[in-house]
Amino acid sequence: DAGVIQSPRHEVTEMGQEVTLRCKPISGHNSLFWYRQTMMRGLELLIYFNNNVPIDDSGMPEDRFSAKMPNASFSTLKIQPSEPRDSAVYFCASSPPKGLAGAYEQYFGPGTRLTVT
Amino acid sequence: QQQVKQSPQSLIVQKGGISIINCAYENTAFDYFPWYQQFPGKGPALLIAIRPDVSEKKEGRFTISFNKSAKQFSLHIMDSQPGDSATYFCAASPSIAYSGAGSYQLTFGKGTKLSVIP
Repeated sequence: DAGVIQSPRHEVTEMGQEVTLRCKPISGHNSLFWYRQTMMRGLELLIYFNNNVPIDDSGMPEDRFSAKMPNASFSTLKIQPSEPRDSAVYFCASSPPKGLAGAYEQYFGPGTRLTVT
Repeated sequence: QQQVKQSPQSLIVQKGGISIINCAYENTAFDYFPWYQQFPGKGPALLIAIRPDVSEKKEGRFTISFNKSAKQFSLHIMDSQPGDSATYFCAASPSIAYSGAGSYQLTFGKGTKLSVIP
């Protein structure tokens, strides 16, 4: 069974460029989470979706960040324009519907390491 | 956002020793407390979890101790091995009665980098 798939695994871009990170959640999961991990701030929840609808985006740092989930099997996190302080590892995680086994668990993807120069 | 405070930030333990990581929370609505393990270059993965109806849960060499009155919980790794070297995150989530619409949202601690030396 495939886990959460993220692409690209590594992204190096110049300041001011647009960056798009992609995520495919585990089939059957209906919640999807985007996290950012840095040494200074640890794991920060940016936004999460339930049934493709954004539920809480209070962690999105600023308007340069946007996320979409057009269907149950795909989500994107976009940064436009990117800045050096956006350099971090971005994780996508998914979880099953409430009431099902593992509903409390979040299954993380391998992450995308973003470097903005 | 309600905090989960984790300590220490880093930990070095000799092989065979006991590793202890502590967490404290504020939100009394939290009633699910997992620990996640993250190896370099990988995403975090669930290691072990506890609910407040028990004070301790053990799975192999890993034990969670939970103190509801103090709002603290800890992870103990017995007979620590070099393969246990990783970053460990505690987390907490409210029950379905409080989480509202959507999913079970986890609040993570800042992580503890564990190094087990031979």
